[in-house]
Amino acid sequence: EDKVVQSPLSLVVHEGDTVTLNCSYEVTNFRSLLWYKQEKKAPTFLFMLTSSGIEKKSGRLSSILDKKELSSILNITATQTGDSAIYLCALRNNAGNMLTFGGGTRLMVKP
Amino acid sequence: NAGVTQTPKFRILKIGQSMTLQCTQDMNHNYMYWYRQDPGMGLKLIYYSVGAGITDKGEVPNGYNVSRSTTEDFPLRLELAAPSQTSVYFCASRESRSPNEQFFGPGTRLTVL
Repeated sequence: EDKVVQSPLSLVVHEGDTVTLNCSYEVTNFRSLLWYKQEKKAPTFLFMLTSSGIEKKSGRLSSILDKKELSSILNITATQTGDSAIYLCALRNNAGNMLTFGGGTRLMVKP
Repeated sequence: NAGVTQTPKFRILKIGQSMTLQCTQDMNHNYMYWYRQDPGMGLKLIYYSVGAGITDKGEVPNGYNVSRSTTEDFPLRLELAAPSQTSVYFCASRESRSPNEQFFGPGTRLTVL
């Protein structure tokens, strides 16, 4: 059974701080790893990672996959209050059409 | 495009009651999904569909049923509501050619008392 574990469960930082969110996984046949941001309602897609060592970047957010360590990190630099959200990591294997989600990291950025 | 729409936004049920959560997408996506999200937790897949007439169980299907008679609609039915089904329910869809990006609806918050 595929498994996705995120850490920390929650995090409180101040504006301007840099944060690193972790996602580790167990999967039979890896296909891709995805990051989503969930504010008040539905998750919105951030990144898809398929290859190890290649960083995906969007503004102050970046993510990288380490297939050897079976993990991924999501970095947010110069955090803003608008970054406050739950960040979800999800895994897709080759066998099926489903995503397996981790439990999420709840980030709160204080002014 | 309205994207993925869900109704109702909120609902309170009594134990044993039944209801249907509606989900509609106007993007002509073949794949549709139902997830539940308990407080402070990630999403768990209930059921999914790869096209009209085809449905399959996800991780937590017990207590739920689905149907997919059209490409656009993917209703989720609770037959005998239980307090354990108190959760936020999200519907999502994706294109066949984009296996990774799912578009989510706004969610339905269900409370069973």
